[in-house]
Amino acid sequence: QVTLRESGPALVKPTQTLTLTCTFSGFSLSTSGMCVSWIRQPPGKALEWLARIDWDDDKYYSTSLKTRLTISKDTSKNQVVLTMTNMDPVDTATYYCARIGLDCGGYFDLWGRGTLVTVSS
Amino acid sequence: QSALTQPRSVSGSPGQSVTISCTGTSSDVGGYNYVSWYQQHPGKAPKLMIYDVSKRPSGVPDRFSGSKSGNTASLTISGLQAEDEADYYCCSYAGSYTLDVVFGGGTKLTVL
Repeated sequence: QVTLRESGPALVKPTQTLTLTCTFSGFSLSTSGMCVSWIRQPPGKALEWLARIDWDDDKYYSTSLKTRLTISKDTSKNQVVLTMTNMDPVDTATYYCARIGLDCGGYFDLWGRGTLVTVSS
Repeated sequence: QSALTQPRSVSGSPGQSVTISCTGTSSDVGGYNYVSWYQQHPGKAPKLMIYDVSKRPSGVPDRFSGSKSGNTASLTISGLQAEDEADYYCCSYAGSYTLDVVFGGGTKLTVL
């Protein structure tokens, strides 16, 4: 059974750096064709793709946020970590990690439950 | 403002069919066969319903179908059921080198 679970702080202050961890099971990011993404959703608003990391350590970022994002993986721990710098109240959102479909296709086939991050002083 | 345009809301009675549109450009929806659709119930994570324009993951009822014409993709739900009431989001690749992904603004489906 494939599961993903996000973890991280529920509250961060403006200008701080956010670090989120996605811990997954049921697949390995060392397997060819496996990829994981981060996606966020502000309260009451639409989904927004943030970043992706592939089994071969290729990384891709949202063009609009790439200067603030870093994605990495720890294959031995089955974890993907996302850092976002210079947090602002507009970054308040539920942050999801999701596995990308077969051979890193153009879809997200399994999602974590998400973790709500509030940015406030 | 979301990159893909969806109607804010649609509605239908049980047993009826509804179609949700998703309009993009030749740089996203029109340029790739990588359109996917997600269902999201309140307080829950999104669930994949359609991928690669018209493919259904195992476990998704065949009442859900997808299609694309030009820069517009569509999700059709036939035989509406109460549990179909949810928000629906379309999604597409938007760059072959950057692998940017764009979502629609979401459509609230109400089953009357």
